[in-house]
Amino acid sequence: GESVGLHLPTLSVQEGDNSIINCAYSNSASDYFIWYKQESGKGPQFIIDIRSNMDKRQGQRVTVLLNKTVKHLSLQIAATQPGDSAVYFCAEKNAGGGNKLTFGTGTQLKVEL
Amino acid sequence: KAGVTQTPRYLIKTRGQQVTLSCSPISGHRSVSWYQQTPGQGLQFLFEYFSETQRNKGNFPGRFSGRQFSNSRSEMNVSTLELGDSALYLCASSLESGGGYGYTFGSGTRLTVV
Repeated sequence: GESVGLHLPTLSVQEGDNSIINCAYSNSASDYFIWYKQESGKGPQFIIDIRSNMDKRQGQRVTVLLNKTVKHLSLQIAATQPGDSAVYFCAEKNAGGGNKLTFGTGTQLKVEL
Repeated sequence: KAGVTQTPRYLIKTRGQQVTLSCSPISGHRSVSWYQQTPGQGLQFLFEYFSETQRNKGNFPGRFSGRQFSNSRSEMNVSTLELGDSALYLCASSLESGGGYGYTFGSGTRLTVV
């Protein structure tokens, strides 16, 4: 069955350091992946996405890497700031699956001053 | 432009009652999907509506239902509420169905069943 899992439930980093959040997925038919950030009391906020025909995509301070060989996705946040503290989810969409997203369990990122 | 609007923000219901939640998508978006978020199960897909038709359905009992109106606004209904239905219910809108792109979530409705 489908499953998207995260390796670490909590990640603590020092302000200014780079953060790396990992995600494993099991469905090789997934063709689109999204990273979301969720702050307390809010809905998930889109960070960055990547299609399965790419292996890297960069945004502002964020980079997503996709390794289809080992079904692994990672989110890198450069120069982590206190405002980055939140829960981060990866999500996958199956080709032909409409807009159904399968979410990972989430990683709590804590930025220490 | 306005984001995805969900109403109400908070609800407290008694076991056995029913509840209706509302979602207004971003203007121009025709796909609306619903998710349930709980600490134990995380974010789980309920269903997706596109052009007033249900396109996908998750693994939830028939007590969970939804619909979409001609203006793309969507409602979901939960009948015969159980304690385990307590959750944050999120809707997300997207321009099209199948692309998954531009997927934007609302802030959710926090349902508490007592």
